[in-house]
Amino acid sequence: QSVLTQPPSVSGAPGQRVTISCIGSSSDIGAGFDVHWYQQIAGAAPKLIIFHNGDRPSGVPDRFSGSRSVTSASLAITGLRAEDEADYYCQSYDGSLASSVFGGGTKLTVL
Amino acid sequence: QVQLQESGPGLVRSSGTLSLTCVVSGGSINSNNYWNWVRQSPGGGLEWIGEISQSGNTNYIPSLKSRVTISKDMPKMQILLTMTSVTAADSAMYYCARGGWGNPGDALDLWGQGTVVIVTS
Repeated sequence: QSVLTQPPSVSGAPGQRVTISCIGSSSDIGAGFDVHWYQQIAGAAPKLIIFHNGDRPSGVPDRFSGSRSVTSASLAITGLRAEDEADYYCQSYDGSLASSVFGGGTKLTVL
Repeated sequence: QVQLQESGPGLVRSSGTLSLTCVVSGGSINSNNYWNWVRQSPGGGLEWIGEISQSGNTNYIPSLKSRVTISKDMPKMQILLTMTSVTAADSAMYYCARGGWGNPGDALDLWGQGTVVIVTS
């Protein structure tokens, strides 16, 4: 059972905007720990696409953006493209467990 | 350009000990980073296993803490994972990943390709 809660799946047509939520608790996101997001294309290792809630590594398109509120975070993808079809995971830190924690992952389907 | 490459035995006997190696190339293993192990069961999500800091401090997920040890072999530039008393539930792809900013719980900005572990009875 994942500590961070994500929807199992989301979908959208090319060009549309989709958002993926990541719900935490008072011991992780709610405690002020940063949220990071990863993209995992089938058969490949995860790739960091958002760090420290909303920063993008070099080379990640600005179609990807992240935000954080009190005990949750969101990943938004605008201008959906076929190559965005992948699994997306959020990650934060649980201060009470001294452990990193992942969400269960969200499968994005581009229709 | 820093790269990570995991390796392991592939198959491990149930109740045995799993030993995995992550070779760090193109950079220093003694940099101000946390080095992490993450696993993913077939068709499943990512599960963080643990991390080791520049100074050798370790943190582990509580559910695995009694069975897991993460260490560093500085001369060989390797991050090591040892897991005892393995069961079929430990069958997974195991990834080595670098925490990018020198803090526990960092974003993992560099990943290896992973190594598959299958626990056999």
